[in-house]
Amino acid sequence: DVKVTQSSRYLVKRTGEKVFLECVQDMDHENMFWYRQDPGLGLRLIYFSYDVKMKEKGDIPEGYSVSREKKERFSLILESASTNQTSMYLCASSLSLWLATDTQYFGPGTRLTVL
Amino acid sequence: ELKVEQNPLFLSMQEGKNYTIYCNYSTTSDRLYWYRQDPGKSLESLFVLLSNGAVKQEGRLMASLDTKARLSTLHITAAVHDLSATYFCAVDLPSMDSNYQLIWGAGTKLIIKP
Repeated sequence: DVKVTQSSRYLVKRTGEKVFLECVQDMDHENMFWYRQDPGLGLRLIYFSYDVKMKEKGDIPEGYSVSREKKERFSLILESASTNQTSMYLCASSLSLWLATDTQYFGPGTRLTVL
Repeated sequence: ELKVEQNPLFLSMQEGKNYTIYCNYSTTSDRLYWYRQDPGKSLESLFVLLSNGAVKQEGRLMASLDTKARLSTLHITAAVHDLSATYFCAVDLPSMDSNYQLIWGAGTKLIIKP
């Protein structure tokens, strides 16, 4: 089974702090994704990566950056956390964009509260 | 811009009943996904639908795709309490778009009462 793990389930930070969220997948997937999930809005893509050191912006990249130094690890960085970044953050991975049935597998999520 | 609309957003139903969740999307797409999310848990893939007329079934859930109508349905047959969850549909942006991503519906929260 694919396993996607996230570094924390719950996190509380203060406004202005730098926040690191880490995601690790164990199935040699090419693609990794960071989403935020807010009630009534579904999932919104922040960034995704299709290879080591490669990244692409999603719908809402402002205020976030990412890092993928190793294939299995994808980090989301909030350079200076703000209260409007309080949300559930979900990491996902998928094997290959070229597969017709490419499916994203999700981690358990990190609920971040910024005070 | 691709938009994905689910309805209803909230559904409360009795065990044993049938119901359908609808997912409309605004432009052509290559793939449509259905996911399930249990309270406090992450998303789990249910179905991937690739072509017009595609139908997939797993237990009491059946998903179908009509690409001409830009509509997918998730039908629940003889609902049981264990199917209580939030169900999301998600649609690929057209393949000619260089920015690969899924566009997600807002989710349908399904509560099935014993």
